[in-house]
Amino acid sequence: RKEVEQDPGPFNVPEGATVAFNCTYSNSASQSFFWYRQDCRKEPKLLMSVYSSGNEDGRFTAQLNRASQYISLLIRDSKLSDSATYLCVVRRTNAGKSTFGDGTTLTVKP
Amino acid sequence: EAGVTQFPSHSVIEKGQTVTLRCDPISGHDNLYWYRRVMGKEIKFLLHFVKESKQDESGMPNNRFLAERTGGTYSTLKVQPAELEDSGVYFCASSQELGAGETQYFGPGTRLLVL
Repeated sequence: RKEVEQDPGPFNVPEGATVAFNCTYSNSASQSFFWYRQDCRKEPKLLMSVYSSGNEDGRFTAQLNRASQYISLLIRDSKLSDSATYLCVVRRTNAGKSTFGDGTTLTVKP
Repeated sequence: EAGVTQFPSHSVIEKGQTVTLRCDPISGHDNLYWYRRVMGKEIKFLLHFVKESKQDESGMPNNRFLAERTGGTYSTLKVQPAELEDSGVYFCASSQELGAGETQYFGPGTRLLVL
């Protein structure tokens, strides 16, 4: 079993839709959680960190459930520019190593 | 401020040859990481430098891979001899501090194809 598992996707949604991605992690020692965005043939870029209380950044909301070892990302009012692969990333306390999920691909259509 | 840079952007070599990838982290970042993504797989950690020291090399696949960071600035990752399964995208990342919550900034990657 992979340490970080994501929805396989792909997700194809119309502009303006709300879409949610799920991620689960297996290592209970994991302490830090992130969503990265990766455009085609580009490097991963940090979208947002995920905090225990949940956090929001504009149209993006991230949630963490430590008991279920589950992370989510909600995108509201999808834009064409949101089309990308979204990577769930997990890190243990004071460890540099990041563990990535396979990524979920989102395509927003007009 | 310049981001993480990597050279070359692409490399095509034959099996058995040697390739050296270079990474220049963001200036002032003591922490440097190598990751790679092979076809159809997730991005995987290779190793982590703090300045010139290897902090964690648990992800290095075998002894054909050698990473160095002399002087604690740029890093090189050498693959010798290259095998077909080494093909993929090699990403370098850097961070200022070491901490689970610290942002790691990624370079554009080197696309390696071993024929």
